[in-house]
Amino acid sequence: DIQLTQSPSTLSASVGDRVTITCRASQNIFTWLAWYQQRPGKAPKLLIYKASSLESGVSPRFSGSGSGREFTLTISSLQPDDFATYYCQQYNYYYTFGQGTKLEIK
Amino acid sequence: QITLKESGPTLVKPTQTLTLTCTFSGFSLSASGGAVGWIRQPPGKALEWLALIHWDDDKRYSPSLSSRLTITKDTSKKQVVLRMTNMDPVDTGTYYCIRDSGPDFFADWGPGMLVTVSS
Repeated sequence: DIQLTQSPSTLSASVGDRVTITCRASQNIFTWLAWYQQRPGKAPKLLIYKASSLESGVSPRFSGSGSGREFTLTISSLQPDDFATYYCQQYNYYYTFGQGTKLEIK
Repeated sequence: QITLKESGPTLVKPTQTLTLTCTFSGFSLSASGGAVGWIRQPPGKALEWLALIHWDDDKRYSPSLSSRLTITKDTSKKQVVLRMTNMDPVDTGTYYCIRDSGPDFFADWGPGMLVTVSS
């Protein structure tokens, strides 16, 4: 199994801040990584695929980078709607998700 | 417009078999490249992929749950069915139907349905 570890588990920030979430894989997954946003009571929403490709319709304030075992999701200039939980997902071998990062309002 | 919706029992007893149906529209599972599957989420916890079925009937299962899962499709009804045997309270959670829009990542999700396992 490929394990994904996200850090931090919880992140407190303010509207307008720039934040970065990290996802580390237990082995090389090349760029086979996606990021999702999940608001309470809602289904996840795809933000980024293939580590850095922005899904159609997603704000360019979201960006992804990385390859191999370490990846980041960056949100520039936080907006009120961005406070949610974020998950990474690998698809190099089957599919696994990270444990999630909850982005809270400071 | 692509839509997916889950249906099935909201309460099952331990040891019973859960059968969930995903009814979808806006795409075809008979076309090359299509796939539909299931992901679940225990309350307050992370997402867990369960199973995926491709347009050509190729099936993939979570290695840790493969012995308990069966996924099938009815292309004419635009439905995908997931069966999970020997349900346990730890299987309580929200079950999502998803479309593989990638390949291998998921842009389209159903709203999810909460399944509770309790006697």
